[in-house]
Order: sequence, then structure tokens, then C-alpha cells
Amino acid sequence: GQQVMQIPQYQHVQEGEDFTTYCNSSTTLSNIQWYKQRPGGHPVFLIQLVKSGEVKKQKRLTFQFGEAKKNSSLHITATQTTDVGTYFCAEPTDKLIFGTGTRLQVFP
Amino acid sequence: NAGVMQNPRHLVRRRGQEARLRCSPMKGHSHVYWYRQLPEEGLKFMVYLQKENIIDESGMPKERFSAEFPKEGPSILRIQQVVRGDSAAYFCASSPTGQDVEQYFGPGTRLTVT
Repeated sequence: GQQVMQIPQYQHVQEGEDFTTYCNSSTTLSNIQWYKQRPGGHPVFLIQLVKSGEVKKQKRLTFQFGEAKKNSSLHITATQTTDVGTYFCAEPTDKLIFGTGTRLQVFP
Repeated sequence: NAGVMQNPRHLVRRRGQEARLRCSPMKGHSHVYWYRQLPEEGLKFMVYLQKENIIDESGMPKERFSAEFPKEGPSILRIQQVVRGDSAAYFCASSPTGQDVEQYFGPGTRLTVT
């Protein structure tokens, strides 16, 4: 079946360091979405990527969609404590197929 | 504009009891999804509904679980004869069109089975 893997599973960084999570699919993706879930919270939509090789930026966050549309990445520059949470990629079909998630911890 | 609403936020049930989880989608959204998140794990799709119709229930366990989205009122996820393994956070999400668009999540119901 469909599998969307994310690495790393956990990442601990010092505040101010950069962070990257990678999302890999076994199949070609039509689109990809990214969500953030704060501890104890619910998933919140961040962005959708549609085109091969697409790069989108939101302040310190940079999202990229691979040329073959089988992988994606989220990069956070100069992390802050407010970035703490789990970041999920998801393939949107008639439902969301979520990746395994990367849990980010930021130490002040 | 109120977001997706779920109640109760926390639910405790003994083994063998029934759990009823409610979800009211955002205003104007007719597509509702239920996801389950086991402790320290990711989100797994359960069921996709439109008003009075189940569109995709491929993620629903075959027994004890059912879902509905009536013409009037909230969507209900019902779990009969709960077991400890049902303890999880259950999230409802809604969207306006149901195709490749952002889903808006509710705060979730944390079910604990004792």
C-alpha cells in the first residue's frame, strides 16, 4: 500500500540552529501538503506543493517538492522555541495519507 | 467563523462501553474526515463522509466502528464495546470541496479506555 516515510523521526536542536525534515514516497505524488502539530494540539495546514521542483517560502520555512515528485523537504532556518512540534507531510487524495512525522524539539 | 468543533474533548470509558464522538465541520464545509492518532504515533485515516453518504471507509476497523454524517446535525463516530487498544486521539477534519485542498482539523477527542 501507499507509504510515506519521513526522516528523521526525532530531531533535537539548539535554538538558532537549522532543521530539515525529509519526506519520501514509494509512488509518484500528485501534490503534497505539510502540517504542523504542536504538543497536545491538532494538525494545522502549512502549505501545498503542486509542481515538480517547486520551492515555496514562508518566513523562515522553505518547502521543496522533488523533481520526480516522489520526495519533499521542509527546512527551518534559525529555529525558535515556537517551532516545537511534529511536522507531517501528507499526500492529498480523497483523504490525507500522512507521513510518519518528524518531532522537533528546540532547546533555548 | 467558528472552526471545526469536536466534543467531548476528553472521554473516559470502561472496557465494553460505547463511545460516541461528535464533529461539527466548519460552516460551508460538507466533507468530513476522521483520523486516529495512537499515542506517540502518526495520523491514520479512518473514514470520509459527505452529507448522508460514506465516501471512503477503507481505514475503518471492520467491527465495532461506525460513522455517520446526517442531513442535520454533527458527524458521529461510534465505537461499540471499546477495548484498551481504542485509546487514542480522534481528530475530525473538514474541507469545502474534498479534492486536493487543505483540511481543517478540530481539536480532537482524547479517548481513554480503562
